[in-house]
Parts: sequence; C-alpha cells; structure tokens
Amino acid sequence: ETGVTQTPRHLVMGMTNKKSLKCEQHLGHNAMYWYKQSAKKPLELMFVYSLEERVENNSVPSRFSPECPNSSHLFLHLHTLQPEDSALYLCASSQLGTDTQYFGPGTRLTVL
Amino acid sequence: QQQVKQSPQSLIVQKGGISIINCAYENTAFDYFPWYQQFPGKGPALLIAIRPDVSEKKEGRFTISFNKSAKQFSLHIMDSQPGDSATYFCAASLTSYSSASKIIFGSGTRLSIRP
Repeated sequence: ETGVTQTPRHLVMGMTNKKSLKCEQHLGHNAMYWYKQSAKKPLELMFVYSLEERVENNSVPSRFSPECPNSSHLFLHLHTLQPEDSALYLCASSQLGTDTQYFGPGTRLTVL
Repeated sequence: QQQVKQSPQSLIVQKGGISIINCAYENTAFDYFPWYQQFPGKGPALLIAIRPDVSEKKEGRFTISFNKSAKQFSLHIMDSQPGDSATYFCAASLTSYSSASKIIFGSGTRLSIRP
C-alpha cells in the first residue's frame, strides 16, 4: 500500500449505530487531518493531529470522536449521527513544517 | 477573513481551449497558494502552487497567475483535454515551519472538457 488509504470506502448507517472510519498513511508523516466534504461547500477541516496529539478541533459535534493511536493511523468514531452528517470524509497527512497535504480517497458516508 | 472565494462553480470548455478559474482571498498573511485537483472517487491531490513573491508559475499546461495587490489568483489550463475534467480547489495557507499545515480551501470548480 502506498500513500493514504481509507476504509471503508462506503458506509451506510442508521442514526443509532456506532461505526468507525479508519485512515492509514504510508508516507512517514507526523501530522494527520480529518475533513468533511459536502456538495458545493469548501472542504471543512474537522480535526488536526500533530505528533499524535490533537491540536485543533473546529467546533465539531461530540458525536464525532477522533483517535490517533500512532503517527500512521487515524480513526473517526461515529455515534448517533444525523442525516446532515452524510458526506465524504477525507483523511490527509503531511510532514510538520511543510505545506502539502496528501489525501486519501475518502469514505462516502450516508446516514439514514 | 479566513475565506477563499472561488469562481465559477462549474465550467465547460471545448477540447483545446483555455480553462480559467479564479480565486480571491482576504487574509494578507497567507503565504502559500496551492491548487488541488480531485477526480471522482479520489481525494484531492496537489496540482501546482505559488508563493506571493512571484506573479506567475507555469508547469506544463498549468499556470497560476498571482496578483498580490488585488488579493487574487487564478489557474489557467492551456490546451484543455478531456482528461483534465475534474474538480479544482484553490486554497491558501500560512506556512508554519514547526506545526501542522492549515489550509483554507475554496468551494471548488467542476470542470468539464468537451471532446
């Protein structure tokens, strides 16, 4: 595997379900990000991890819970989501001190 | 002040034509302006980027024009090809040499190149 991978690629869940999104980067980076991409809206930065420590949380509802167990893996735990949370969730990584972020292919989430 | 405004929302160009996408920013502290390209089913990928100390950067058929005084920059795709059909995002960030990057993205332009 190369670059940034995300699983699952598609997820359908009910509002009472609990699920997790997984991201893995194979680039040796030390910063990881979660973004939400909705139609006709800018990419919304949700969480930033630097050296496995959360450094930013952009007013994201508590029903989204990130976890970064090591510099290569990032999770987004989901519970009691709303239909408006349906979107493409993108993971990215970068090297601290550089500008370029490398994105995974995303998880298409549908909340029924 | 953190916004990056992008236009048009969608664009159709004939094969061989020039595609032009425009962006405007407000925060004069931004010092890095990348363009990302996203194909269906894929995440965005860096296409080309510029810093405000130059007014133009060219890589193959892709050119960024930068106007610091107007706080505007644009992407020009020369000799547009069907394979260029994708969504393009302009962005701006403030370089930090010791911390994670924070990129502000525009809302995207869906480009279609007609054969």
